[in-house]
Amino acid sequence: QVTLKESGPALVKPTQTLTLTCTFSGFSLNTNGVRVSWIRQPPGKALEWLGRIDWDDDKFYSTSLKTRLTISKDTSKNQVVLTMTNMDPVDTATYYCARLPPAEYFFDYWGLGALVTVSS
Amino acid sequence: QSALTQPASVSGSPGQSITISCSGTSSDVGGYPYVSWYQQYPGKAPKLMIYDVSKRPSGVSYRFSGSKSGNTASLTISGLQAEDEADYYCSSYTSTSTSVSWVFGGGTKLTVL
Repeated sequence: QVTLKESGPALVKPTQTLTLTCTFSGFSLNTNGVRVSWIRQPPGKALEWLGRIDWDDDKFYSTSLKTRLTISKDTSKNQVVLTMTNMDPVDTATYYCARLPPAEYFFDYWGLGALVTVSS
Repeated sequence: QSALTQPASVSGSPGQSITISCSGTSSDVGGYPYVSWYQQYPGKAPKLMIYDVSKRPSGVSYRFSGSKSGNTASLTISGLQAEDEADYYCSSYTSTSTSVSWVFGGGTKLTVL
């Protein structure tokens, strides 16, 4: 059974750095082809893809956010970590992690999401 | 502004069929057979409904179907049921010579009258 769960602070101040952790089970990021993405959704707005980390530690980031994003993994803990610097109120959103199955181009399992509010 | 264009809302009566469109460009929807659709209830995580334009994951009702023509993809729900009332998002894979990404539509709120 595949599950993913996001965790991290619910509130961050402007200019601070956000760190979110995605803890997953039912699959391994050591498995050839497995990838995990981060996706966010501002309140009442559309989904936005942020980035992806692959089983071989390859990484891809949204062009518009790549200077602020870092995605890393700890395969021993079954975790993927998202770091976003210089947070702004417009970054207020629910942040999701989601799995991409090997050689596929869709997100088959999603976490429940973590709402992050950016406010002083 | 979202990369893919969806109608903000659609509605239909129980038993009817509705179609949600998703317009992109030749760089995303038109360029790859990798359009997917997600259903989202308020406060819940998105759920995969259609992948690779027209394939249904195991467990998804046959009433959901997908198609694509040129740069526009479509999700059709037949035999509308009250439980289908939700937000629906399309997504497409896209890539350049140096990177990959996914783009989403703005979402369509389906109301079952």
